[in-house]
Amino acid sequence: GEDVEQSLFLSVREGDSSVINCTYTDSSSTYLYWYKQEPGAGLQLLTYIFSNMDMKQDQRLTVLLNKKDKHLSLRIADTQTGDSAIYFCAEGPGGYQKVTFGTGTKLQVIP
Amino acid sequence: DAMVIQNPRYQVTQFGKPVTLSCSQTLNHNVMYWYQQKSSQAPKLLFHYYDKDFNNEADTPDNFQSRRPNTSFCFLDIRSPGLGDAAMYLCATSRDGRGLSYNEQFFGPGTRLTVL
Repeated sequence: GEDVEQSLFLSVREGDSSVINCTYTDSSSTYLYWYKQEPGAGLQLLTYIFSNMDMKQDQRLTVLLNKKDKHLSLRIADTQTGDSAIYFCAEGPGGYQKVTFGTGTKLQVIP
Repeated sequence: DAMVIQNPRYQVTQFGKPVTLSCSQTLNHNVMYWYQQKSSQAPKLLFHYYDKDFNNEADTPDNFQSRRPNTSFCFLDIRSPGLGDAAMYLCATSRDGRGLSYNEQFFGPGTRLTVL
């Protein structure tokens, strides 16, 4: 079955870049997602990338996809304390079909 | 604001005592999902509704049932909770993906279930 792996914890200093990594096993994944969960709130879609893309940039966020290695990363430039949250990697075929989530990476930003 | 609401936020039940968790949405989305998330684990899809059509995941135990009386509401029923069912239960919604591409799911804040 599908499997999505992430490290559980990442700590960075405010102003530095954060890189959160993810590996997945389903080679037929069409869309790869990053969700953000702030304390006490639900998961919220942060960004996504289509599988035929290598990179997607959106303001401070850069998503890199290495389809050959089934590796996805999320880079947050100039990390702020407000970026402290849990970040979930996910993959799926698109539409309303099942999305498989990773365990989440808790990002701690040190002032 | 359009949103996904889960009640209660915290639920305590006794071993074997049926419990119902509630989810409502104001987004008018036709797909609703229930996930189980245990500590430090990935959210695990239990089932989803596409309109009124119920779709169960193959590995979801029979102990878990769901009802969707209308577009706005969806319930998760745990018939005989065991200690292993203690978890965070997440409800999510999405709009039909036909003609769309990616699947953006909108999540509620979750209900944390404790089983004594």
